[in-house]
Amino acid sequence: DIQMTQSPSSLSASVGDRVTITCRASQSISNYINWYQQKSGKAPKLLIYAASSLQSGVPSRFSGSGSGTDFTLTISSLQPEDFASYYCQQSYRTPGTFGQGTKVEIK
Amino acid sequence: EGQLVESGGGLIQPGGSLRLSCAASGLTVSSNYMTWVRQAPGKGLEWVSVIYSGGSTYYADSVKGRFTISRDNSKNTLYLQMDSLRAEDTAVYYCAKITMAAYNWFDPWGQGTLVTVSS
Repeated sequence: DIQMTQSPSSLSASVGDRVTITCRASQSISNYINWYQQKSGKAPKLLIYAASSLQSGVPSRFSGSGSGTDFTLTISSLQPEDFASYYCQQSYRTPGTFGQGTKVEIK
Repeated sequence: EGQLVESGGGLIQPGGSLRLSCAASGLTVSSNYMTWVRQAPGKGLEWVSVIYSGGSTYYADSVKGRFTISRDNSKNTLYLQMDSLRAEDTAVYYCAKITMAAYNWFDPWGQGTLVTVSS
């Protein structure tokens, strides 16, 4: 299976901060990566698919980049509603393995 | 986009069986790739199983031989039959539709149903 390694596992940030989360795949996955946001007690929500395409309705402060093995999710200006956990997922090959997650907490 | 609603979770003893249901509205289960994902308490997301529109099924190694994914087209419902349950199967179980295009992703997701395996 393709392994997805996310970093950091957690971070503390303030409202207005720029936040970057990285994900590394154990082999090249082209741009077959998705990003999800999960708030406490809720189901994951799709933010970005195909590395950089923003899901409909997702604020433009979220962006994704990367190709091959290294990928980034960026929140340009952190808002109170963005405090949550974030997961990357490869969709290059079944199973669609997830990264271990990044918890974004209030500083 | 559709909506998915899981049910069937609960407290079950080790070695027991449970069947989870995922009722769909606004989308047709049989026409889509459907999947189960679980999340142990305080842990990350783990893919469990998928059923393709053609009927092919695949499982994570951790559940292979114990779990069975299926669907009832007349009820537009996805199922996960879980047998020989272990403490490590304790998790919230989510169903999701896999959007298949040039790329694929999981959306929408159900709200999840909690399975607790404990004596």
